[in-house]
Amino acid sequence: DAEITQSPRHKITETGRQVTLACHQTWNHNNMFWYRQDLGHGLRLIHYSYGVHDTNKGEVSDGYSVSRSNTEDLPLTLESAASSQTSVYFCASSEQNTYNEQFFGPGTRLTVL
Amino acid sequence: GQNIDQPTEMTATEGAIVQINCTYQTSGFNGLFWYQQHAGEAPTFLSYNVLDGLEEKGRFSSFLSRSKGYSYLLLKELQMKDSASYLCAVMDSNYQLIWGAGTKLIIKP
Repeated sequence: DAEITQSPRHKITETGRQVTLACHQTWNHNNMFWYRQDLGHGLRLIHYSYGVHDTNKGEVSDGYSVSRSNTEDLPLTLESAASSQTSVYFCASSEQNTYNEQFFGPGTRLTVL
Repeated sequence: GQNIDQPTEMTATEGAIVQINCTYQTSGFNGLFWYQQHAGEAPTFLSYNVLDGLEEKGRFSSFLSRSKGYSYLLLKELQMKDSASYLCAVMDSNYQLIWGAGTKLIIKP
């Protein structure tokens, strides 16, 4: 069965360290997204990609970067982790048609101390 | 600015009906989505409305009024497993999803 996975599921790091969160999907979807979810806020878009070598900034992209070298993977990098980046991070993917539903990975809980 | 409003929390009784409202103000409209999210899990898709009216899918129905910037999710014959957060999201003119903070639904026996 096709799926979308994220790793690690839990991560504790220190302020200033570089952290990379992995996202891998086997749906063969062109569109991939990274969100963060914090209490009292809706999901907020960090970065998104509509295909290989395409990346775009979302609403809250400062301090984050992504790269898309193949269809299956969209890793999210925190260049220098800050306590404000403590959050739950969700990766999602969807088919090329923008009206299609997004399928979400299980999430990564990141704590920055 | 863009804004999606939904109640923070609702309580209902097993077997009853509950309606979760969502109002929105966004730059453009390309459809409204409802997702369900159980605690500690990923959101999962429930429904998509782009035209006015009611869409029914089993025990769940979703309604949209574009002129009023309003939608609701109707859950019938509530079961304990329906205890979850329900997220409303609008696709704006840039085809990005703008998400509400979610409504936590508590089902009591």
